[in-house]
Amino acid sequence: DQQVKQNSPSLSVQEGRISILNCDYTNSMFDYFLWYKKYPAEGPTFLISISSIKDKNEDGRFTVFLNKSAKHLSLHIVPSQPGDSAVYFCAASPGWQGTYKYIFGTGTRLKVLA
Amino acid sequence: DGGITQSPKYLFRKEGQNVTLSCEQNLNHDAMYWYRQDPGQGLRLIYYSQIVNDFQKGDIAEGYSVSREKKESFPLTVTSAQKNPTAFYLCASSGTGGRGEQYFGPGTRLTVT
Repeated sequence: DQQVKQNSPSLSVQEGRISILNCDYTNSMFDYFLWYKKYPAEGPTFLISISSIKDKNEDGRFTVFLNKSAKHLSLHIVPSQPGDSAVYFCAASPGWQGTYKYIFGTGTRLKVLA
Repeated sequence: DGGITQSPKYLFRKEGQNVTLSCEQNLNHDAMYWYRQDPGQGLRLIYYSQIVNDFQKGDIAEGYSVSREKKESFPLTVTSAQKNPTAFYLCASSGTGGRGEQYFGPGTRLTVT
């Protein structure tokens, strides 16, 4: 059973517009979330994180929003650039296990059109 | 420059052979991880190690083995018992507490025929 879901496998956005990538999770005990960006045949690159004690975290063009009651987080990229075209993964940490394990979603492929 | 290196980038093996994938980090991180990525799927955790000489099974450890004799190194052996070894393998590390972000290597694509 997929505990972290990214229901949109792909997304196309015009350059300069906002990209919104969504992620849902099933377990309310997840308390730390990460977003990664991945180019083909490369390792993922960390983008931004958010702790469950916050509902928003911002870093430059990237903002992550967390809605704990809906078990939903989203990554906003504003403005979108062609170099943002990649696969984006969200990941959640089941902190109650006291381990270092992250559970990853299946990814959303973002294409930013010039 | 600090980072994680994985070698080789591409690896080809015949079915029935064991193969070891290399992962080295110079970030002075305590924790290291091995993931597998298959097409259309997320990253799945194979093994992780929080400290030297200690490691734990992840979600899909069957057919794999690891060692952690040095802080900098966390090699993964794909044994002949792994039924579907062809995949993209990613190594990662994280700092103190392991609750922060994980830094990934460039990956090794293993093809077994």
